[in-house]
Amino acid sequence: DIQLTQSPSTLSASVGDRVTITCRASQTISSWLAWYQQKPGRAPKLLIYKASILESGVPSRFSGSGSGAEFTLTISSLQPDDFATYHCQQYDTSFPRTFGQGTKVENK
Amino acid sequence: EVQMVETGGALVQSGGSLRLSCEVSGFSVSNNYMSWVRQAPGKGLEWVSVIHSGGTTNYAGSVKGRLTISRDNLKNILYLQMNSLRAEDTAVYYCAREGYSYGLTGFFDSWGQGTLVTVSS
Repeated sequence: DIQLTQSPSTLSASVGDRVTITCRASQTISSWLAWYQQKPGRAPKLLIYKASILESGVPSRFSGSGSGAEFTLTISSLQPDDFATYHCQQYDTSFPRTFGQGTKVENK
Repeated sequence: EVQMVETGGALVQSGGSLRLSCEVSGFSVSNNYMSWVRQAPGKGLEWVSVIHSGGTTNYAGSVKGRLTISRDNLKNILYLQMNSLRAEDTAVYYCAREGYSYGLTGFFDSWGQGTLVTVSS
């Protein structure tokens, strides 16, 4: 199975900060990576797929980059609504689909 | 408008069975890859199973042989039959539609609100 490791596990930041989260895969997955935002008690919400394509309706302060085995999610200017947990997920041609362990973005 | 509503979660004893349902509106389950994803309390997300548009199924190793995904095309409902339940199956179970882009499916573009399954030992 392809393992995904996110770093950091927790990130303390303030409104207006630039935030970067990293997701590393245990083997190359081309660009088959998605990012989700999840708030407590809610279902995850798709932010980005194919490593860098912004889902419709997602604010442009979110961006994704990377290919192969290293990927990043960047929030250019953190907003109050962005405090949440972020998950990466790979969907390479092989099963199973796998997720990273999550990164919690908290208010400093 | 896309809507996905899971039902069927409950408290069940170890070794017991349960069937989860996901009622879908706004698109056809038969035309999409449909997955179940779960989240144990305080933990990350774990993919459980997928049913392809053609009917092929795949499972996570941890549930293979115990959980079965299926669908009713006429009722537009996705199911997860859960047998031989264990304490480690305790989680919120989400149904999710897989998006399709650039020739590949596998990311989850629509989710239900989730249903809680608690397995007591």
